[in-house]
Amino acid sequence: EDQVTQSPEALRLQEGESSSLNCSYTVSGLRGLFWYRQDPGKGPEFLFTLYSAGEEKEKERLKATLTKKESFLHITAPKPEDSATYLCAVQFDYKLSFGAGTTVTVRA
Amino acid sequence: KAGVTQTPRYLIKTRGQQVTLSCSPISGHRSVSWYQQTPGQGLQFLFEYFSETQRNKGNFPGRFSGRQFSNSRSEMNVSTLELGDSALYLCASSASGAPGDTQYFGPGTRLTVL
Repeated sequence: EDQVTQSPEALRLQEGESSSLNCSYTVSGLRGLFWYRQDPGKGPEFLFTLYSAGEEKEKERLKATLTKKESFLHITAPKPEDSATYLCAVQFDYKLSFGAGTTVTVRA
Repeated sequence: KAGVTQTPRYLIKTRGQQVTLSCSPISGHRSVSWYQQTPGQGLQFLFEYFSETQRNKGNFPGRFSGRQFSNSRSEMNVSTLELGDSALYLCASSASGAPGDTQYFGPGTRLTVL
């Protein structure tokens, strides 16, 4: 069965303290790995799609990378507004399978 | 371009009742998916529709059903509500639902079952 595991579950950072979130997956024939950001009580907001190992994408302070078995979301010099839950998902058979998420808290 | 819209945003029901949730996809998107999000189980796939046809269904009881209309708008229905059905129900749309196609989520409907 396809599985997506995210670590750590929670991350507390000081403003400006860079860190990385991990998403490992087991799926045959990856069609796409997706990163979303979710604020409390809201729907997930799309960040990135990665399709093949070695691919990297950036947006502001976020950078996503992909290998054959895992993806990393790097947060560089985070600000308090980067506080959110970050979700990764893999696509299989017309559905997204999500990890449990990493909740990031950035203190000023 | 307007995003995915869901109505109502909040709903309170009692056990045994039924409920219908509505989703309007991004203009031009033909695939609509539904997910249930709870603190314990996270985001779980319910079903996906494309051109009024259900293409995939998650592991939920038959009380959960859905449909899609010719204008791509979708509804999901939950009958005989149970306390455990309390959750955030999320709708997502994509252009075609094809492999690698990005899904964009709506704000969700918060269902509380008393």
